[in-house]
Amino acid sequence: NAGVTQTPKFQVLKTGQSMTLQCAQDMNHEYMSWYRQDPGMGLRLIHYSVGAGITDQGEVPNGYNVSRSTTEDFPLRLLSAAPSQTSVYFCASSTTGGSTEAFFGQGTRLTVV
Amino acid sequence: AQSVSQHNHHVILSEAASLELGCNYSYGGTVNLFWYVQYPGQHLQLLLKYFSGDPLVKGIKGFEAEFIKSKFSFNLRKPSVQWSDTAEYFCAVKLYNQGGKLIFGQGTELSVKP
Repeated sequence: NAGVTQTPKFQVLKTGQSMTLQCAQDMNHEYMSWYRQDPGMGLRLIHYSVGAGITDQGEVPNGYNVSRSTTEDFPLRLLSAAPSQTSVYFCASSTTGGSTEAFFGQGTRLTVV
Repeated sequence: AQSVSQHNHHVILSEAASLELGCNYSYGGTVNLFWYVQYPGQHLQLLLKYFSGDPLVKGIKGFEAEFIKSKFSFNLRKPSVQWSDTAEYFCAVKLYNQGGKLIFGQGTELSVKP
């Protein structure tokens, strides 16, 4: 029962570097999303997807790219890291309809120096 | 725009005190409602959820929440908190007609003094 798997757990980047945060789920969920968590601001939605080939922007999409080529995977790309992107990132998945909750990954703590 | 508001940013209680955390949302369509808890250094875990039926729902660890549709509220309660309840609590709303989009409140940090 893997659920939602995020890698890496920790990452330090230099300003301007790029990287991809990986997220995979094995529950055949249509809906996947990425959040960033910052003190006092809760979880803010970056991007989300309601199925393979379909993505949309959330509340704070600038500086991030996503794609959804398969149901299982939803990677988040930082194109040119900035110190403002220092945060904890969570990936989540759920069904699009019906009465189910979202399942979360363990999180990625990213520091941009 | 849809939003979720949690009234308290930081709550400090003594053990055995009663807890109520407020949550209001702004969305006129069908919603599912959740409370998640995040213990220090950990990821989010589901406390309880409301989908339909009885507006008073019970969750794990003695928590409960009441959905009041007319007030767009979903407040979390616990009659007697313990030191181990120290954590951050998040209210969340799943928007049924937007592909399951999940919106979170700002979070409430609960500190319980032994």
